[in-house]
Amino acid sequence: AQSVTQLDSHVSVSEGTPVLLRCNYSSSYSPSLFWYVQHPNKGLQLLLKYTSAATLVKGINGFEAEFKKSETSFHLTKPSAHMSDAAEYFCVLRREYGNKLVFGAGTILRVKS
Amino acid sequence: DTGVSQNPRHKITKRGQNVTFRCDPISEHNRLYWYRQTLGQGPEFLTYFQNEAQLEKSRLLSDRFSAERPKGSFSTLEIQRTEQGDSAMYLCASSTRPYGYTFGSGTRLTVV
Repeated sequence: AQSVTQLDSHVSVSEGTPVLLRCNYSSSYSPSLFWYVQHPNKGLQLLLKYTSAATLVKGINGFEAEFKKSETSFHLTKPSAHMSDAAEYFCVLRREYGNKLVFGAGTILRVKS
Repeated sequence: DTGVSQNPRHKITKRGQNVTFRCDPISEHNRLYWYRQTLGQGPEFLTYFQNEAQLEKSRLLSDRFSAERPKGSFSTLEIQRTEQGDSAMYLCASSTRPYGYTFGSGTRLTVV
């Protein structure tokens, strides 16, 4: 079965410092992977997606993620956190058949001033 | 194009009552999805439509749940005889190809 595990339920960083949100996946095939962000009372917004092209994927708002097959990881990074980055982030895998998305449990990012 | 619209934004209902939610997808999107998100968890897939055909239903979708998408446009999700465990955020998404999901802001259901 395909699944994703977000290794941290909460991450706290200071403004201007790097962000690392960790995600491991389990899949018997080469998956499509995504990161979504959810701000309070807002819909889920796509940050970036990996679809078997370049392993380093650049997204919106300065975020990027690297697909590492050997480590079955897809960690999300940003060089410098901004207060507006505070939100919940979801690592997501698209199932091989059909269009179902499988979400991780989420990581809440807190940015301290 | 105002994105995916969900109504109502919030719904409080008494246990045992029926509720219905509506989702208006992006007009040119032929695929529509319902997900449920409980506190502290990521969204879980409920069901999927391509045009008016309901192609997949999760085992999470008990007999009390029914979803429709008449004419392949808007969709409704009805929950009959609500239970406290149904309290959650119900999210709708639409897409026109496998990767192009757009999510709505959700309907938050509270069953008291």
